[in-house]
Amino acid sequence: EAGVVQSPRYKIIEKKQPVAFWCNPISGHNTLYWYLQNLGQGPELLIRYENEEAVDDSQLPKDRFSAERLKGVDSTLKIQPAELGDSAVYLCASSFSGGAGEQFFGPGTRLTVL
Amino acid sequence: AQSVTQPDIHITVSEGASLELRCNYSYGATPYLFWYVQSPGQGLQLLLKYFSGDTLVQGIKGFEAEFKRSQSSFNLRKPSVHWSDAAEYFCAVVGGGGGNKLTFGTGTQLKVEL
Repeated sequence: EAGVVQSPRYKIIEKKQPVAFWCNPISGHNTLYWYLQNLGQGPELLIRYENEEAVDDSQLPKDRFSAERLKGVDSTLKIQPAELGDSAVYLCASSFSGGAGEQFFGPGTRLTVL
Repeated sequence: AQSVTQPDIHITVSEGASLELRCNYSYGATPYLFWYVQSPGQGLQLLLKYFSGDTLVQGIKGFEAEFKRSQSSFNLRKPSVHWSDAAEYFCAVVGGGGGNKLTFGTGTQLKVEL
């Protein structure tokens, strides 16, 4: 069974440029998460989807970050415009709905903003 | 709100030696606790989890962890470390508020000396 797929794996952009990250969750997982992992830190939740609905986006900086999950499967996270401080690893995870089941993580996208 | 503390930022052990990584959590009710491992350039992989029942839980790769409510701890152990265990280890908790919101510690970087 395929795991969580993310692309690109690495992205280097200049500040003020836009960038987008894509995530394909494990088949059958209704819940999708985007996490931000800064260097030397644990991941922090940015947004959680239940199917198409963003049910927890309280930590998403909405002035420059946006996300969508059309059709309740794939998801895209966008930053526009990027700032130097956005350099980090962006992780996508998925799980079955409900309870506190295991979250399966993708390999992440390492973003470098110059 | 729940929180997780991993007091050791870096730990170095010799191959074949025993290992214990510390984790303390803060949460008012019975937490769901997890240990994840992250190798360089990889996503997080679940080692083990505690929901209820037996306080000593077994995981993959020979790891185990013990939940101690009186100490608010969930320490990870392995009797004999292999060089391939070198990685970063994260303790995480799911608390109230619903929705599988994982709160991670800052991680412990494990180095294994041959």
